[in-house]
Amino acid sequence: GQQVMQIPQYQHVQEGEDFTTYCNSSTTLSNIQWYKQRPGGHPVFLIQLVKSGEVKKQKRLTFQFGEAKKNSSLHITATQTTDVGTYFCVTNAGKSTFGDGTTLTVKP
Amino acid sequence: NAGVTQTPKFQVLKTGQSMTLQCAQDMNHEYMSWYRQDPGMGLRLIHYSVGAGITDQGEVPNGYNVSRSTTEDFPLRLLSAAPSQTSVYFCASTKAESYGYTFGSGTRLTVV
Repeated sequence: GQQVMQIPQYQHVQEGEDFTTYCNSSTTLSNIQWYKQRPGGHPVFLIQLVKSGEVKKQKRLTFQFGEAKKNSSLHITATQTTDVGTYFCVTNAGKSTFGDGTTLTVKP
Repeated sequence: NAGVTQTPKFQVLKTGQSMTLQCAQDMNHEYMSWYRQDPGMGLRLIHYSVGAGITDQGEVPNGYNVSRSTTEDFPLRLLSAAPSQTSVYFCASTKAESYGYTFGSGTRLTVV
């Protein structure tokens, strides 16, 4: 299945700082989904993007899909300790392997 | 709705033993998938199904079998357990490709 590359693999921030993770593909994506997995937990679906240039917000989280539909980003404003976990982006979820994601740790 | 239910939550097997990991969903979802997650890594797709009677292989299918005789159930069978199959196994389902997947809480399997 088609995979996307996600960077960075790890990110450590101070509580209150912003955080961004990026997903990149060499080919055009039909869609991209974002999931969050808390330590010791299971992945939880956050959002799906399908349109070129799409931007969606969920409280402090902003998701973007690039104009060329080859990249996507998740931005968290003013991180909190509850944001800790691994964030995955995946295309064709269910038929694709998830990458290693970006693991976010937040220092209080 | 219980969502996606995986049993057992924990299992220890001896090398060579076989077992079935159970996955059931009560949301009438057509699509179901099995993943394995090794420590500190992402989720690798083992097998998936787009409906009852239809299954296909993912990235790491060797050593695993699946069947989908009903919409609700998607069991994963380990034929002859090996230490390399020590992992956390997640089952997930969705009603259609344009929707997000709902994951079960996982089965932590140790093969000794």
